[in-house]
Amino acid sequence: QLQLQESGPGLVKPSETLSLTCAVSGGSISSSRYYWGWIRQPPGKGLEWIGTIYYSGNTYYNPSLKSRVTISLDTSKNQFSLKLTSVTAADTAVYYCAREDSSTVDYWGQGTLVTVSS
Amino acid sequence: QSALTQPRSVSGSPGQSVTISCTGTSSDVGSYNYVSWYQQHPGKAPKLMIYDVSKRPSGVPDRFSGSKSGNTASLIISGLQGEDEADYYCCSFAGTYNVFGTGTKVTVL
Repeated sequence: QLQLQESGPGLVKPSETLSLTCAVSGGSISSSRYYWGWIRQPPGKGLEWIGTIYYSGNTYYNPSLKSRVTISLDTSKNQFSLKLTSVTAADTAVYYCAREDSSTVDYWGQGTLVTVSS
Repeated sequence: QSALTQPRSVSGSPGQSVTISCTGTSSDVGSYNYVSWYQQHPGKAPKLMIYDVSKRPSGVPDRFSGSKSGNTASLIISGLQGEDEADYYCCSFAGTYNVFGTGTKVTVL
């Protein structure tokens, strides 16, 4: 059974960089079938797709976040990461890592709350 | 990259049917059969309920069904049950990225 687990700081200061990692178990991120990505949900609000990465390293980002987002793979550790620069309070959210199959999110991590505050 | 439009809330009595609409544009819902639906209970991660407009993953009750017409997709819940009370989100492929709907709260009366 595939499992995804997010990790990273729960508190980030404004203007700094948010960094999260997703450890994958029960499956390989080197699979040519799937994409690996991030989705976030501000408290009390809806879901927002952030972006995905393919095993080849190709990345696809939400146009509204593209200038601040980087998603990368670490195949040696079977994990992938998210970096979001120049964060503000509007970036406070639960961040989910996920697996996508033909744009369908079929596996989700449990989510991790990241608060942006000084 | 605007969010797809969903009704804020829908409600129904146990056993009834409810329909949640998801309206996009010709650049997303109208162009691709990659529409999926997710159920989210409070404090939990979303769960896939429908993919590719109308396909059901293994384990999802057949009370849940999906369809699409033009730029609008729909999720139908038949025979509403108490455990169906949750937030529901649609999602569509939009060429190089995905876009989620605004979300709908389903209340079982």
